Amino acid sequence: AQSVAQPEDQVNVAEGNPLTVKCTYSVSGNPYLFWYVQYPNRGLQFLLKYITGDNLVKGSYGFEAEFNKSQTSFHLKKPSALVSDSALYFCAVRDSISGGSYIPTFGRGTSLIVHP
Amino acid sequence: EAQVTQNPRYLITVTGKKLTVTCSQNMNHEYMSWYRQDPGLGLRQIYYSMNVEVTDKGDVPEGYKVSRKEKRNFPLILESPSPNQTSLYFCASSQSSSLGWGYTFGSGTRLTVV
Repeated sequence: AQSVAQPEDQVNVAEGNPLTVKCTYSVSGNPYLFWYVQYPNRGLQFLLKYITGDNLVKGSYGFEAEFNKSQTSFHLKKPSALVSDSALYFCAVRDSISGGSYIPTFGRGTSLIVHP
Repeated sequence: EAQVTQNPRYLITVTGKKLTVTCSQNMNHEYMSWYRQDPGLGLRQIYYSMNVEVTDKGDVPEGYKVSRKEKRNFPLILESPSPNQTSLYFCASSQSSSLGWGYTFGSGTRLTVV
């Protein structure tokens, strides 16, 4: 069975400071991990994914995420936050052992607020 | 422009009145899916389709129907809507059902059932 947790409902950060949005997961096999962003009144947009290889994955808009197998985490990071990064962020996971079902599981979302 | 198009964006209806939310993608994607988004619950999958004429239930299929008669379209049907189906709905597509592919989402349909 697969599951994903975003332990923070909201993250507040000042513009220019580094940001981290946390995600932990649980799978039976190997994880396929994704981050999406949702701006107000918009659908979700794909940011980045981890399939295999380098643990540090770079994505859109200057975001990156670090895969940590021992901590079963896939935290989203950005070195310098912008006010325009304020949005709802979703982590999602797919398990390589899916029993034939390829349905990804999404986290509940974390609201990122970047203050000027 | 590659996109997933949902209609309508907003809909207010009354209990029991059948409705259809349309979804169309122009990317020749095999895999399509419907989600609902509710506060505190995140995204939950309603139905998905791995190809034409192939559909299956997601986590919360009760009260919904879908069809996939052609590759580009994947309508969501509520035969007898109830207030607990008030939600924000998203259609999504992916080039493949393979594990490594991400989704392209539509802009959403906000449904209110009174």
